[in-house]
Amino acid sequence: DAKTTQPNSMESNEEEPVHLPCNHSTISGTDYIHWYRQLPSQGPEYVIHGLTSNVNNRMASLAIAEDRKSSTLILHRATLRDAAVYYCILRETGANSKLTFGKGITLSVRP
Amino acid sequence: DTGVSQNPRHKITKRGQNVTFRCDPISEHNRLYWYRQTLGQGPEFLTYFQNEAQLEKSRLLSDRFSAERPKGSFSTLEIQRTEQGDSAMYLCASSLAHGNTEAFFGQGTRLTVV
Repeated sequence: DAKTTQPNSMESNEEEPVHLPCNHSTISGTDYIHWYRQLPSQGPEYVIHGLTSNVNNRMASLAIAEDRKSSTLILHRATLRDAAVYYCILRETGANSKLTFGKGITLSVRP
Repeated sequence: DTGVSQNPRHKITKRGQNVTFRCDPISEHNRLYWYRQTLGQGPEFLTYFQNEAQLEKSRLLSDRFSAERPKGSFSTLEIQRTEQGDSAMYLCASSLAHGNTEAFFGQGTRLTVV
């Protein structure tokens, strides 16, 4: 499985934008870039995914580098409820499309 | 549909006992995944099903572990002769098969082996 690399942790101030980076230099052409987050004592929750173009939804934006070797999850205005572990995952298109998690990045939000 | 449901939410068992967990996926999802998560780590893949067929098992899944999805709907994960090292959160997820779809996770079953 293709691997991703994320910083261990990041701090943010409430109501400020947050940019969470992810490197995936071995990504293949058919891998989708997925982001999930996990709040304490809960199962992971889908955030966003994309293939080549930048994506926006009600939770976040995903900016994908032109060479697809890196991506950035953008939370436009962090809230205290956004404090969680964020996982950047590559998911294959075909039959073997399981999600392989790394350690993720722990986001702390300061009031 | 209420999402992915896992039961029980918590299980405490004595070492050497057998335990079984149940996962009810979102009804139209043909893929069902089991993960294990220990404190401070990301979820580790255990196995997954497409409909009733078990397509892949991780090396983490020793012969004490067995999973079934008999009719392609709910799934069970059984651990025989539990050990203290089996203490973890067991997560179930479901999705459609294509990589361009999101997976939905249950709240997990917290297993404590004493």
